[in-house]
Amino acid sequence: GAVVSQHPSWVICKSGTSVKIECRSLDFQATTMFWYRQFPKQSLMLMATSNEGSKATYEQGVEKDKFLINHASLTLSTLTVTSAHPEDSSFYICSAASGRALNEQFFGPGTRLTVL
Amino acid sequence: AQSVTQLGSHVSVSEGALVLLRCNYSSSVPPYLFWYVQYPNQGLQLLLKYTSAATLVKGINGFEAEFKKSETSFHLTKPSAHMSDAAEYFCAVSDTAGNTPLVFGKGTRLSVIA
Repeated sequence: GAVVSQHPSWVICKSGTSVKIECRSLDFQATTMFWYRQFPKQSLMLMATSNEGSKATYEQGVEKDKFLINHASLTLSTLTVTSAHPEDSSFYICSAASGRALNEQFFGPGTRLTVL
Repeated sequence: AQSVTQLGSHVSVSEGALVLLRCNYSSSVPPYLFWYVQYPNQGLQLLLKYTSAATLVKGINGFEAEFKKSETSFHLTKPSAHMSDAAEYFCAVSDTAGNTPLVFGKGTRLSVIA
């Protein structure tokens, strides 16, 4: 149980285009989902926390207009990287919390984004 | 505020040798502590977690960690390294109420030499 999927697993796009990444909780309802970014050989940096049906809470330094997060249902959250640039190339990981405790997170397999 | 420090960005051990990955935390409230493993181009897998029950926590794949409040440490150990243990390991901390997201350390890359 507690499986989280991400789609796509990797994507290559041209600079200036937008890319949408989906995060799904397959066998549980996720009241809270998290989006992380991980640069090569570095740790996970929390980008934003999203609760179903409400606006995401972004961490300091993360541009909310560039990284659009939608959490429309209890099993799906999407991250859209708008007008992507090469510096946005990274590994994006989502996680989902099944209950009130935000530390009980289940992680997706990640999405590798490469912007040319 | 909470933080995690992982000593050593890279640890190399011989197959069959003891694995010791160090993690020290800082927290103004009683912490929950976690160790995750990440294989290349994959997400994170939970190895074990400390949630204020037993101070010695046993996890998957033969790993265990001991919570030492006096040393603010939560080091990860495995008696005998296997080639398949080669991966990136992250220590993370959160508050016990679960009101805040996880805070991760910078990670330690474990290499296992045949």
